[in-house]
Amino acid sequence: EVQLWESGGGLVQPGGSLRLSCAASGFTFSSYAITWVRQAPGKGLEWVSGISGSGRSTYFADSVKGRFTVSRDNSKNTVYLQMNSLRAEDTAVYYCARVRRDSSGSDAFDIWGQGTMVTVSS
Amino acid sequence: SSELTQDPAVSVALGQTVRITCQGDSLRTYYATWYQQKPGQAPVVVIYGKNNRPSGIPDRFSGSSSGNTASLTITGAQAEDEADFYCNSRDNSATHPWVFGGGTKLTVL
Repeated sequence: EVQLWESGGGLVQPGGSLRLSCAASGFTFSSYAITWVRQAPGKGLEWVSGISGSGRSTYFADSVKGRFTVSRDNSKNTVYLQMNSLRAEDTAVYYCARVRRDSSGSDAFDIWGQGTMVTVSS
Repeated sequence: SSELTQDPAVSVALGQTVRITCQGDSLRTYYATWYQQKPGQAPVVVIYGKNNRPSGIPDRFSGSSSGNTASLTITGAQAEDEADFYCNSRDNSATHPWVFGGGTKLTVL
């Protein structure tokens, strides 16, 4: 079964750090980009970060650039989101998702994890 | 980077047809993907590409696109369709390759 699952969420103080993991199974992991999407309580989905299948290309939303980094270990079928200098506004459920590109060049986030909650509070 | 615009809320009578729209420059180049999200659950793809439904998605869900607007149509809305719907697409930005719409809350009356 194709699936993703996140771990590493929790309560952290403002200015602190947290590392999220996204583990995958059921597909050729290195063939797919992986993206992170977050959802603050009562709010919509916000794209946060992405990483290519090889790991050579990484992308970040302006709201997290310079504070978050993303990496992957294809031997472990895992993507990591390192979050530093956390702020109250980073409080959200963080989802990882697989990026599937079709023949037209359009992308879909076709497989999602269940999400992990990050709370930034003193 | 581009933005995608959705109406915040739409309502439909049970059994009737409803269209949810998504507008943005990126949609002139790329197809939108539509996600349904129910409370406490992860988003689920309902439409991707030109008009494709993943396995398990009812055929009352369909998609279309014209110019800078993508549409999700639910023909014969059911009570279980009440949810938040989001569109997203690839973007031509080298640094921000994907963009989301703000979401539409669908109420089935």
